[in-house]
Amino acid sequence: DQQVKQNSPSLSVQEGRISILNCDYTNSMFDYFLWYKKYPAEGPTFLISISSIKDKNEDGRFTVFLNKSAKHLSLHIVPSQPGDSAVYFCAATVYGNKLVFGAGTILRVKS
Amino acid sequence: DSGVTQTPKHLITATGQRVTLRCSPRSGDLSVYWYQQSLDQGLQFLIQYYNGEERAKGNILERFSAQQFPDLHSELNLSSLELGDSALYFCASSVVGGPYGYTFGSGTRLTVV
Repeated sequence: DQQVKQNSPSLSVQEGRISILNCDYTNSMFDYFLWYKKYPAEGPTFLISISSIKDKNEDGRFTVFLNKSAKHLSLHIVPSQPGDSAVYFCAATVYGNKLVFGAGTILRVKS
Repeated sequence: DSGVTQTPKHLITATGQRVTLRCSPRSGDLSVYWYQQSLDQGLQFLIQYYNGEERAKGNILERFSAQQFPDLHSELNLSSLELGDSALYFCASSVVGGPYGYTFGSGTRLTVV
C-alpha cells in the first residue's frame, strides 16, 4: 500500500530554469510533509518541510506547496543548479510517527 | 558527517548467512529507525526503537530482527539471507517530540551472492 507516491522517476531541467517535483499521498491523516535530497553513496538529507496547516513554505531557492484537497505537494527549485542533481524523496508523517517515503525522483540539472 | 554512524559501509555475503548492521545515533537522539532501499524502490520502513524499546514495526521480515542497547546504538540482524535481501540499509535517528525530520546515516550496502 503506497501511501506516498512520486509518479515521475526522473526529471531533466536546464540550469537556471525551474524544477518542479511532485508528490501525491492517500492518507488524509498525514499532518507533516518533508522533502529529502540524496546524493550517491550518501544518506538522505533533510531539505524542507511543511505542516498541514500551511499551504506554502519557502527556504531560499526551495519552495514546497501543499494542496490538501488534492492530497498533492510539490517542490519548486528556482533557479536550478547543477549541484541540485540528486534523488529527491517526498515523505509524510502522522503526528510525528514514522516517516513514509515515496519512491524518489531523480533530478538532473544540465549546464 | 551527519552524526549518525553506520558500519560497515559495504558487506558481501552468501545466501543463507547471517549479518549484523550497526548504527550509532546522533548525540542526544533517543529514536532509531531502520529503512531498506532496494533497487528502484523508495525507503521502506523496517522498525523503530525509542530509548531501548521497540516503538513501531513496518514490513520487516521474520528473518530480520533489531535491538537498541543502553548506550542507544542499534543493531539490525539479518539471517537466512536471500538474494532479494540485497539492498541499501539506512539508519536514521531523531529526537521524538522535536522536529519531525530524521538524520540519516550513509547506509550499509548489502550484497548477497
